[in-house]
Amino acid sequence: EVQLVESGGDLVQPGGSLRLSCAASGFTFSGYWMHWVRQVPGKELVWVSRINSDGSTTTYADSVKGRFTISRDNAKSTLYLQMNSLRAEDTAVYYCARVSYYYDSSGLSARYYFDYWGQGTLVTVSS
Amino acid sequence: QSVLTQPPSVSGAPGQRVIISCTGNTSNIGAGYDAHWYQQLPGTAPKLLIYGNTNRPSGVPDRFSGSKSGTSASLAITGLQAEDESDYYCQSYDSSLSGWVFGGGTKLTVL
Repeated sequence: EVQLVESGGDLVQPGGSLRLSCAASGFTFSGYWMHWVRQVPGKELVWVSRINSDGSTTTYADSVKGRFTISRDNAKSTLYLQMNSLRAEDTAVYYCARVSYYYDSSGLSARYYFDYWGQGTLVTVSS
Repeated sequence: QSVLTQPPSVSGAPGQRVIISCTGNTSNIGAGYDAHWYQQLPGTAPKLLIYGNTNRPSGVPDRFSGSKSGTSASLAITGLQAEDESDYYCQSYDSSLSGWVFGGGTKLTVL
């Protein structure tokens, strides 16, 4: 059974740092891209960052670029999100999500979707 | 403001059919990127409902179906049941943003 368990959420002051973890089990972690998605309670889902299967390429939403760093340890089947220079607007539940893919009708372009999600961890940025 | 536009709420009586729309533009759904749908029950994580516009993962009832046309996608739910009461989100990829995007979410109320 695929399981993703986030941890590390906490109350932190503006300007502070926090590292989130996502422990994966039930699948070959090193074979999948992984993402972080956040959600202010009661609001919409917002994509944050993604990392490819071997950790060599990463992408970030503009709102976190330069402040957040996504990484992974395939030996430990764990995904991380290092969050620095935190702002009040970073307050949200952070979900890690596994991505699966298929090819479009041309067979040339991969299409990705989030097939499994963790339960989320709450990050609160406040003084 | 979300890149993909969904109605904030829809409702229907048990047994009825509802449709949730997801409107994008020529940088995402209209550019050929597929739409995917997620169900988020209150207080829980999102769950994959439809991928690749029309495909249901195993375990998802065939009461749920998806479609795509032009710059929009739709999720149809037939034979509404009380347990369908939830938030529903569409998602795609946006080439101008170089990132994954979600709709604002639609709250389904079963009357």
